[in-house]
Amino acid sequence: EVQLVESGGGLVQPGGSLRLSCAASGFTFSSYWMSWVRQAPGKGLEWVANIKQDGSEKYYVDSVKGRFTISRDNAKNSLYLQMNSLRAEDTAVYYCAAGATGIDYWGQGTLVTVSS
Amino acid sequence: EIVMTQSPATLSVSPGERATLSCRASQSVSSNLAWYQQKPGQAPRLLIYGASTRATGIPARFSGSGSGTEFTLTISSLQSEDFAVYYCQQYNNWPPTWTFGQGTKVEIK
Repeated sequence: EVQLVESGGGLVQPGGSLRLSCAASGFTFSSYWMSWVRQAPGKGLEWVANIKQDGSEKYYVDSVKGRFTISRDNAKNSLYLQMNSLRAEDTAVYYCAAGATGIDYWGQGTLVTVSS
Repeated sequence: EIVMTQSPATLSVSPGERATLSCRASQSVSSNLAWYQQKPGQAPRLLIYGASTRATGIPARFSGSGSGTEFTLTISSLQSEDFAVYYCQQYNNWPPTWTFGQGTKVEIK
């Protein structure tokens, strides 16, 4: 069974940092592009970042460039998102996702709330 | 940035009826288009990729069509479990930056 389990969300003050993690199992993690997708409360989906299978290429939505960093550890079947200089508008459920021609697998999400 | 526009925002349909959802891209995305279904409190589920290929386990009542800038998701005969929000997504080949449409909510009429 495919599983993507996110962790690391929580309440953080504006300007603060958080590191999200995603533990993958049930598929060949090292063969997949991996991504983070977020959804603000009551809103639609927004792609945040993705990373190539070997970590050599990374791409970001403009609104997080220079603040967020995506990374992966294929030996640990894990995906990460380091989020710095957080803003209120970063408040969302963050989903870990796998796939390149359509997202085949999704985690259940972890909530990040940026508020003072 | 490629902008994806879905219409209508809300679609009211009776069970057993046909639903047609539209998605338009601001520039050509070829057939690099996926559709997802999302129910409240759940993660999205992939329905269609490559504009018209059903994902594993997706019922045949779901079909996708289109290429370039105009795409359609059709649900041939709505079942109770199909009432949800549907999103389109482009996955441009290069650079691999993605965008989603704003979603269409399919509700019971």
